[in-house]
Amino acid sequence: GQNIDQPTEMTATEGAIVQINCTYQTSGFNGLFWYQQHAGEAPTFLSYNVLDGLEEKGRFSSFLSRSKGYSYLLLKELQMKDSASYLCARDNYGQNFVFGPGTRLSVLP
Amino acid sequence: EAQVTQNPRYLITVTGKKLTVTCSQNMNHEYMSWYRQDPGLGLRQIYYSMNVEVTDKGDVPEGYKVSRKEKRNFPLILESPSPNQTSLYFCASSFTGTNEKLFFGSGTQLSVL
Repeated sequence: GQNIDQPTEMTATEGAIVQINCTYQTSGFNGLFWYQQHAGEAPTFLSYNVLDGLEEKGRFSSFLSRSKGYSYLLLKELQMKDSASYLCARDNYGQNFVFGPGTRLSVLP
Repeated sequence: EAQVTQNPRYLITVTGKKLTVTCSQNMNHEYMSWYRQDPGLGLRQIYYSMNVEVTDKGDVPEGYKVSRKEKRNFPLILESPSPNQTSLYFCASSFTGTNEKLFFGSGTQLSVL
């Protein structure tokens, strides 16, 4: 199926590390995206994984395992401005994108 | 400035009154798409277009129409809006639609009374 699952909400403390998971039920896709969305705003691109493994971009890293059907976004040295929703999305070879429901992350002082 | 321009930002209307939400991009992107976002459901694709005069249904196309007469414009048309179409709508584009990030418009909050 096309279902993508993410935890609904997560809470973490400023300066900590948090891992947001994304699981899916099909293996036929081109790659997997992560977007950040602040309340009331448009999503903005964070990362894209085509190959299995870890992609690192500063404080943000994303991991993909096609064989295990999951991805995660790792946020290090959390800051208050990281409070937002995080969306994973599957790229179905340009035919369409399927987004997960999003994970709302709250960063507490 | 490279951008996706979506209008209006907010719209309140009544059931059955036809409306159009405009979307325009200035990046010469071939791929454009429309999404609606509802609490707990995430972004769901309504329609997408791989190029001029080519449109395809996404996951939730019922009650919506689109057209792609020019590369830069991709309007979303609600012929007879109903209250269940109250939602936050986003237009997005990219060069080819795969292997590339999407650029999103700023969103349209639609309320159908």
